[in-house]
Amino acid sequence: DAGVTQSPTHLIKTRGQQVTLRCSPKSGHDTVSWYQQALGQGPQFIFQYYEEEERQRGNFPDRFSGHQFPNYSSELNVNALLLGDSALYLCASRPFSGLGQETQYFGPGTRLLVL
Amino acid sequence: TQLLEQSPQFLSIQEGENLTVYCNSSSVFSSLQWYRQEPGEGPVLLVTVVTGGEVKKLKRLTFQFGDARKDSSLHITAAQPGDTGLYLCAGPTLYQITGTASKLTFGTGTRLQVTL
Repeated sequence: DAGVTQSPTHLIKTRGQQVTLRCSPKSGHDTVSWYQQALGQGPQFIFQYYEEEERQRGNFPDRFSGHQFPNYSSELNVNALLLGDSALYLCASRPFSGLGQETQYFGPGTRLLVL
Repeated sequence: TQLLEQSPQFLSIQEGENLTVYCNSSSVFSSLQWYRQEPGEGPVLLVTVVTGGEVKKLKRLTFQFGDARKDSSLHITAAQPGDTGLYLCAGPTLYQITGTASKLTFGTGTRLQVTL
């Protein structure tokens, strides 16, 4: 059983460019969350998708957008990249539940470097 | 806004020593989770504590949830080089009263280095 997978593993972009990161959730999971982890810090919540809709959003600008597909996979898009967007982008998945207590499984992340 | 602060930020110890990492908040959390993250990988869940005052043990790791559910600690006995990594505490924030969505608020992290 494959866990959460993310692609690409590493990415280098220049300021002003756009980037798309991809995530496939763990089998049986339908809720996907994205987190940004700057170097030396804890992950920061970007947004969460369930039933192809953004359900909750953290304190990130509109340059950060996402999408969830019918097969539960997800994309994170970042427009007009800034140097400060350089970070490890983590995808986490869990099964939907009304309690929100379920374990979230994290992927290995995509390391984005903006030059 | 719920915040989680961890201390210390960095810890470098020798194999065999004991250590404690703290995770504190001014907010009440329904549960707290502890993760370990190694370079190039995503965080891996170690434990979830749910009940105030709860103590859970995972081999040489002991986790405690504060009585008021605002803080937690992780104690490692006889640390080994394999314990090296970034330790993160995290708490869920329910989006709605029904809990149909939730996010994890992570602590600032404690980077542990265990040397021979």
